[in-house]
Amino acid sequence: GAVVSQHPSWVICKSGTSVKIECRSLDFQATTMFWYRQFPKQSLMLMATSNEGSKATYEQGVEKDKFLINHASLTLSTLTVTSAHPEDSSFYICSARWDTQDQETQYFGPGTRLLVL
Amino acid sequence: QQPVQSPQAVILREGEDAVINCSSSKALYSVHWYRQKHGEAPVFLMILLKGGEQKGHDKISASFNEKKQQSSLYLTASQLSYSGTYFCGTERGTSYGKLTFGQGTILTVHP
Repeated sequence: GAVVSQHPSWVICKSGTSVKIECRSLDFQATTMFWYRQFPKQSLMLMATSNEGSKATYEQGVEKDKFLINHASLTLSTLTVTSAHPEDSSFYICSARWDTQDQETQYFGPGTRLLVL
Repeated sequence: QQPVQSPQAVILREGEDAVINCSSSKALYSVHWYRQKHGEAPVFLMILLKGGEQKGHDKISASFNEKKQQSSLYLTASQLSYSGTYFCGTERGTSYGKLTFGQGTILTVHP
């Protein structure tokens, strides 16, 4: 149980285009999903919290108009990087929160590598 | 505020033990441990919810000292598959499930 998928796993795009990344919880429902960004050899930096049926909550310094998040159902959240620039190149990882009687924890998707040329 | 992990890196031979520490300057609700291999996403290891709680499976265990606001991950009789970067993620009572990750500890196990 607790499997999270991400699509695509790799994307290369031209500067100025938009890229959509999907995050799905495959065998559980997630009212809350999180989007992280990770640069090489660095830690995971939380970008935003995605809540099903409501607006995402963005961390300080993250532009909400640039990183659009939609959590349309209990199993799907999407991150759209709008007007991508080379500095947006990074490893984007989503996680889905699984709530049980005993614990609440996050399970990560396999990540999406974005390269903006 | 980001928790501090120590050491930054550890090199072991198969069969040796290691301890990774995670300290926070703020009171914690829970501590989550993950292992990430190069080019992959982090994999959940365990969560500690209560002060004094200890957990473990296989030869990997962890403890949570709520008063000291720190957690330790213990790897015993290390295997080659243990190599990777270990992250602790801390959750505060007011953070509504958000985790703040430490900078990571790189563990390398040699034959």
